[in-house]
Amino acid sequence: AAGVIQSPRHLIKEKRETATLKCYPIPRHDTVYWYQQGPGQDPQFLISFYEKMQSDKGSIPDRFSAQQFSDYHSELNMSSLELGDSALYFCASSSTAGPYNEQFFGPGTRLTVL
Amino acid sequence: AQKITQTQPGMFVQEKEAVTLDCTYDTSDQSYGLFWYKQPSSGEMIFLIYQGSYDEQNATEGRYSLNFQKARKSANLVISASQLGDSAMYFCAMREQGRGSTLGRLYFGRGTQLTVWP
Repeated sequence: AAGVIQSPRHLIKEKRETATLKCYPIPRHDTVYWYQQGPGQDPQFLISFYEKMQSDKGSIPDRFSAQQFSDYHSELNMSSLELGDSALYFCASSSTAGPYNEQFFGPGTRLTVL
Repeated sequence: AQKITQTQPGMFVQEKEAVTLDCTYDTSDQSYGLFWYKQPSSGEMIFLIYQGSYDEQNATEGRYSLNFQKARKSANLVISASQLGDSAMYFCAMREQGRGSTLGRLYFGRGTQLTVWP
């Protein structure tokens, strides 16, 4: 079965640089979520999109922005990177047609800011 | 305030034994969903089991079962016949559905690191 695809899997950036993380949801899933998991922490919700419209916003810094495109893939853009942005970034997708609407997570992008 | 509380930072269980991982939650919504995810050392998050707030029976999925006690606001995960491959971090999560929406974000607990020994 198709899963959520995230790219890149690993990313190393310098402080003040920018990064773009990509997410390809499971086909026919209508909702995409982004989460940030710091070292030894629980995942924290950043933002979500339903049918390409922003549906919810969490603790996402103003330096970050995200969007969902017509093909349903999503991108998380991060600017002026800080050391504290080093984390595992998950994208998840779900379908409102599913029995539980459970969120299926991608493998994550591990971002390291030096 | 923390919406999901997992009080066991680490648990140890011998292979083939059962283990219970604790989870309590806090919400004022009448409609909500409770989830358990497994995160192996490789990092991916794997969905295990779901319990809806209106479900009268405890959810079961293979060796996983959820002991749902609504009045106590607890949703403990029971893993029967533990296997070495069950060693991982386990997260309890909640989705609030106050307006009937199932699109809501997940709130996660801090996780329990389960170690299965031979």
